[in-house]
Amino acid sequence: GAVVSQHPSRVICKSGTSVKIECRSLDFQATTMFWYRQFPKQSLMLMATSNEGSKATYEQGVEKDKFLINHASLTLSTLTVTSAHPEDSSFYICSARGTGAFYNEQFFGPGTRLTVL
Amino acid sequence: GNSVTQMEGPVTLSEEAFLTINCTYTATGYPSLFWYVQYPGEGLQLLLKATKADDKGSNKGFEATYRKETTSFHLEKGSVQVSDSAVYFCALTKLSGGSYIPTFGRGTSLIVHP
Repeated sequence: GAVVSQHPSRVICKSGTSVKIECRSLDFQATTMFWYRQFPKQSLMLMATSNEGSKATYEQGVEKDKFLINHASLTLSTLTVTSAHPEDSSFYICSARGTGAFYNEQFFGPGTRLTVL
Repeated sequence: GNSVTQMEGPVTLSEEAFLTINCTYTATGYPSLFWYVQYPGEGLQLLLKATKADDKGSNKGFEATYRKETTSFHLEKGSVQVSDSAVYFCALTKLSGGSYIPTFGRGTSLIVHP
């Protein structure tokens, strides 16, 4: 149980286009999901906390209009990188907060590798 | 604020060697502590966790004990294998004012040679 999927796993796009990344909790309902960005050989940087039915809470320094987050249902959150540029190339990872006995635990998706040409 | 400090890597060991990856944290109250493992090109997998002082988390031969007096959660394994080569992240979560706040260390790369 507690499986989180991400789609796509890899995406290559041209500069100026927008890219949507989906994060799904497959066998549990996640009221809270997190979006992270990871640069090569570095730690995870929390970008935003996504709560179902409300606006996402962004970390300091993360552009809200650049990284649009929608948590439309209890099993799906999406991250849209708008007008992507090469500096947005990175590994994006989502996680979902567990429920019940796992309320204090995060379950991670496999990540999405974004390359902007 | 909360923070997690891990020893810098890479840690390079021969197969069957003893592993220790140090992790210390700063947080008020009683956070929960975690170790995650990330294999190349993949997301993070939970390796083990401890939710209160003196708890020992263990999984796949790895162990870590929640030491509140030293604010530490060091990861250990008695005999590493080549397949353990990965990046290991120490993390904490803290419930604060109804919010759930995760904090990660920078990660420690482990390389195990045959």
